[in-house]
Amino acid sequence: DTEVTQTPKHLVMGMTNKKSLKCEQHMGHRAMYWYKQKAKKPPELMFVYSYEKLSINESVPSRFSPECPNSSLLNLHLHALQPEDSALYLCASSQEGGANTEAFFGQGTRLTVV
Amino acid sequence: AQSVTQLDSQVPVFEEAPVELRCNYSSSVSVYLFWYVQYPNQGLQLLLKYLSGSTLVKGINGFEAEFNKSQTSFHLRKPSVHISDTAEYFCAVRAPLYGGATNKLIFGTGTLLAVQP
Repeated sequence: DTEVTQTPKHLVMGMTNKKSLKCEQHMGHRAMYWYKQKAKKPPELMFVYSYEKLSINESVPSRFSPECPNSSLLNLHLHALQPEDSALYLCASSQEGGANTEAFFGQGTRLTVV
Repeated sequence: AQSVTQLDSQVPVFEEAPVELRCNYSSSVSVYLFWYVQYPNQGLQLLLKYLSGSTLVKGINGFEAEFNKSQTSFHLRKPSVHISDTAEYFCAVRAPLYGGATNKLIFGTGTLLAVQP
């Protein structure tokens, strides 16, 4: 199984709502990532979890709150977002270290903030 | 610091013609390079990767790329494209994060391959 599964595929939320994005992988990867991708742009790294611990926060606003409940799951909690946060949110996973550092991406969640 | 440059934002090509998508990198450490494809409203799929060894790398869907250290390039090629190859293509370099084992992908700005009948 080389899949990274993200839910939901589409999400529309108001600026006062609280919602969560979910990501799951069963490849035994110990590094998991959240990327944000705006239209016509490359993905930009938001967070990195390594062995279920947050290792990197790329100066992301606190209205985005990541969580890694176990080695297979990664969540992104959203609260009080702004319209400019509308984007495709991609989850990825990879092995830690070594020569094989291929990252596997999910299909993404298309988020629209109204 | 590592970086990736994709000079062509869009490459139009006719079906069954060959294509080359250009990628140049800058890196002060060992280089690990990747090409990803993104179809409309989809995530990213790995086409191929260069980690070490042979400089000619073959990937999925008939794509191949050649790592050229002297020219710091990793161009993607396909001898005959299909309509279904229309997508955004991203070149990426792996970069270690803050000296640790964790790494991140640094992406180029992408090239839209537009295959016309």
